[in-house]
Amino acid sequence: NAGVTQTPKFRILKIGQSMTLQCAQDMNHNYMYWYRQDPGMGLKLIYYSVGAGITDKGEVPNGYNVSRSTTEDFPLRLELAAPSQTSVYFCASSWNNEQFFGPGTRLTVL
Amino acid sequence: EDKVVQSPLSLVVHEGDTVTLNCSYEVTNFRSLLWYKQEKKAPTFLFMLTSSGIEKKSGRLSSILDKKELFSILNITATQTGDSAVYLCAVGLYTGTASKLTFGTGTRLQVTL
Repeated sequence: NAGVTQTPKFRILKIGQSMTLQCAQDMNHNYMYWYRQDPGMGLKLIYYSVGAGITDKGEVPNGYNVSRSTTEDFPLRLELAAPSQTSVYFCASSWNNEQFFGPGTRLTVL
Repeated sequence: EDKVVQSPLSLVVHEGDTVTLNCSYEVTNFRSLLWYKQEKKAPTFLFMLTSSGIEKKSGRLSSILDKKELFSILNITATQTGDSAVYLCAVGLYTGTASKLTFGTGTRLQVTL
């Protein structure tokens, strides 16, 4: 099992650009999550999904969108990148409340 | 608003010392409390606690939950330099459709020789 994979590992965006952060898991977990982690802070939930076709907002959803067309994939879309979205983004999937994290994507918006 | 508070924010100890990290919470619909270790990359799972008073152990690490007083502690005995990391506490909340985690800001532990 590859577990939870994320691409890209690093990305630099200009203000106003858009991009999609990819996340995939091969553990057949129904629940998937997107978090952001700012320097020296804990993780904040952006969006989550309880299964294919179902998504819901977390604590900090503004400026982001998600979709869940399959159990395996849960991409995160930034439409108009802003400097405030500079962060490390973690995707996770869970079974029985234990969450398994991907390696993260470090995003810088200049 | 759900809140998870960890203390201390940071800690420097000598190798061989014993440390206790604290996590207190104020949340609705508590389901579980989890501890993670985060080195340079993604958090890695340590423990999940759901019942009060039952200690979970893994090698030199142990943790216990007090659901009456709404806190948990993570103990590390005979610390080693490899224990240097940020330790994150998270509370699992049941929303009716999913379990979500609310994280504390973490305790940064540095173990020196």
